[in-house]
Amino acid sequence: DSGVTQTPKHLITATGQRVTLRCSPRSGDLSVYWYQQSLDQGLQFLIQYYNGEERAKGNILERFSAQQFPDLHSELNLSSLELGDSALYFCASSVRQGVTEAFFGQGTRLTVV
Amino acid sequence: AQKVTQAQTEISVVEKEDVTLDCVYETRDTTYYLFWYKQPPSGELVFLIRRNSFDEQNEISGRYSWNFQKSTSSFNFTITASQVVDSAVYFCALSDLSNTGNQFYFGTGTSLTVIP
Repeated sequence: DSGVTQTPKHLITATGQRVTLRCSPRSGDLSVYWYQQSLDQGLQFLIQYYNGEERAKGNILERFSAQQFPDLHSELNLSSLELGDSALYFCASSVRQGVTEAFFGQGTRLTVV
Repeated sequence: AQKVTQAQTEISVVEKEDVTLDCVYETRDTTYYLFWYKQPPSGELVFLIRRNSFDEQNEISGRYSWNFQKSTSSFNFTITASQVVDSAVYFCALSDLSNTGNQFYFGTGTSLTVIP
């Protein structure tokens, strides 16, 4: 168990809908990351927050947004969902904002139908 | 641009055999970090090792060992005396100082099956 908690574990929703994925980092970790894992794109970095502020941004679609709250948990919001958004979404956390190992949660499996 | 290549898509070995997973990386930075992660069938990503670009010493942890060679831009992972529990997808990743954060560039992974 990495100590990173993601909810829900599975989510099935229809095209055009909006969903929110939640992540609680390991105790003491200030950085939170979101990654998307799909068969065609592999593991893609979406975004990183450190202590509530955005630190790095990857290939995150405009329909997607994230934030990190004062209690350090994070949410990833996905809107106007398309079939191609179906993927495993991982949250990870680390102690600092710079280069270091990150510890991943079990992921949220999103299926858009 | 940063890139990680894992040319081996799938590998099958018989239990107790040794197996090496290849990882080749590209970066223009002189300071960078390399990682290996394991993704078992249950789906989570498990951190295995971090190595920085200034430390070319090989590392051994139990049945696992890592060979880092800057001259060939490779960071290979060897499992000795493989076991069925080693069956998983293994990802090599790179992070450097090209941005303000800690973005991992993952390879496409190598799926390892250990046959009993």
